[in-house]
Amino acid sequence: KNQVEQSPQSLIILEGKNCTLQCNYTVSPFSNLRWYKQDTGRGPVSLTIMTFSENTKSNGRYTATLDADTKQSSLHITASQLSDSASYICVLEGDGNKLVFGAGTILRVKS
Amino acid sequence: ETGVTQTPRHLVMGMTNKKSLKCEQHLGHNAMYWYKQSAKKPLELMFVYNFKEQTENNSVPSRFSPECPNSSHLFLHLHTLQPEDSALYLCASSQESPEQFFGPGTRLTVL
Repeated sequence: KNQVEQSPQSLIILEGKNCTLQCNYTVSPFSNLRWYKQDTGRGPVSLTIMTFSENTKSNGRYTATLDADTKQSSLHITASQLSDSASYICVLEGDGNKLVFGAGTILRVKS
Repeated sequence: ETGVTQTPRHLVMGMTNKKSLKCEQHLGHNAMYWYKQSAKKPLELMFVYNFKEQTENNSVPSRFSPECPNSSHLFLHLHTLQPEDSALYLCASSQESPEQFFGPGTRLTVL
């Protein structure tokens, strides 16, 4: 069964610190992997999209990595800001353009 | 803003009520989607429309009835809902690329 597991479920960090969110998947084959940011009360917004052949993709302070051998992706946030507080969702596009969503990691950045 | 709007943003309804959710996209996309997002669970795809034609129905109960009068508008008609249907309902649209643009969602509470 195609699954996407994210960890941790929630995370609290101090402003200015770095953090890494994990995504393990069993979706195979897949054409791309995406990370979305979802602010409270808002819809998800795309941060990065990587094809299955890419290893890393950056968007400002956000860097996503992909290891197809271990079926893992990570999202690294550098120098966190209060506005980074949100839910981060890992999504894979599998066969037939079907999207498989993770449950998300809730990040809280405190001052 | 993502170019996808949803109304109402919040809705409280009884189990015997009939209500409708509305989604409008201003991006010129040809595909529109309804998702259900429950707490701590992955997004669940409900319906997909391509060029106004329904192309996917993910075994959604008949108490949810979608309508797509044109490629810019999408409705979700609700009737005789259950308390477990309380969730955030997200609309999204896309064009040729794999990226979907989400609206802010409607927070639905069924009493």
